[in-house]
Amino acid sequence: QAQLVQSGGGVVQPGRSLRLSCAASGFTFSSYVMQWVRQAPGKGLEWVAGLWYDGTNENYADSVKGRFTISRDNSQNTLYLQMNSLRAEDTAVYYCAREGLAVGTGGLDYWGQGNLVTVSS
Amino acid sequence: QAGLTQPPSVSKALRQTATLTCTGNNNNVGNQGAAWLQQHQGHPPKLLSYRNNDRPSGISERFSASRSGDTASLTITGLQPEDEADYYCSSWDNSFGGWVFGGGTKLTVL
Repeated sequence: QAQLVQSGGGVVQPGRSLRLSCAASGFTFSSYVMQWVRQAPGKGLEWVAGLWYDGTNENYADSVKGRFTISRDNSQNTLYLQMNSLRAEDTAVYYCAREGLAVGTGGLDYWGQGNLVTVSS
Repeated sequence: QAGLTQPPSVSKALRQTATLTCTGNNNNVGNQGAAWLQQHQGHPPKLLSYRNNDRPSGISERFSASRSGDTASLTITGLQPEDEADYYCSSWDNSFGGWVFGGGTKLTVL
């Protein structure tokens, strides 16, 4: 059974950095596109970033472009999100998610448990 | 990176049928179809359907999806108390190469 276990998160001051990790198990990690999605308190889902199987193609939401970096280590079956220059509006629960094999149409079929990131002074 | 449009709330009686809608454009729903997610309070989202009406293993046949043009729909038959949740539609958007979500519909089972 596929599983995504997240770590990282917490309270951080505006302008500081934080890194989230997402450890995958139960499937061939290197065969899947991976995504980060966030959810501000009481709000809906917002796509943050995505990364191709081998790390060669990455995309970002306009709201985080230039500040966040998505990466992966296929040898360690782990996805990362490096978040720099954090702002109050980045406060949210962050989820990693696996994209189904039918890229673009297969949906996000497995999700991590979520990590709360709070940006506050 | 505009989002998809969903009604904020829908209320239906127990054992009735609810139909949730989601409107996008030809860069997302109209071209790539839609996937539907269910989220209970305090839990991560769960995929209910993808590619318009394929269901992951373990998802009840009471959940069925369809698409007509730029609008996708999720129909839930025989509503149960556990169906009370937030439902999000999602779609791949060709214009920016990422996922776009609807604002979510809160389904109340009366």
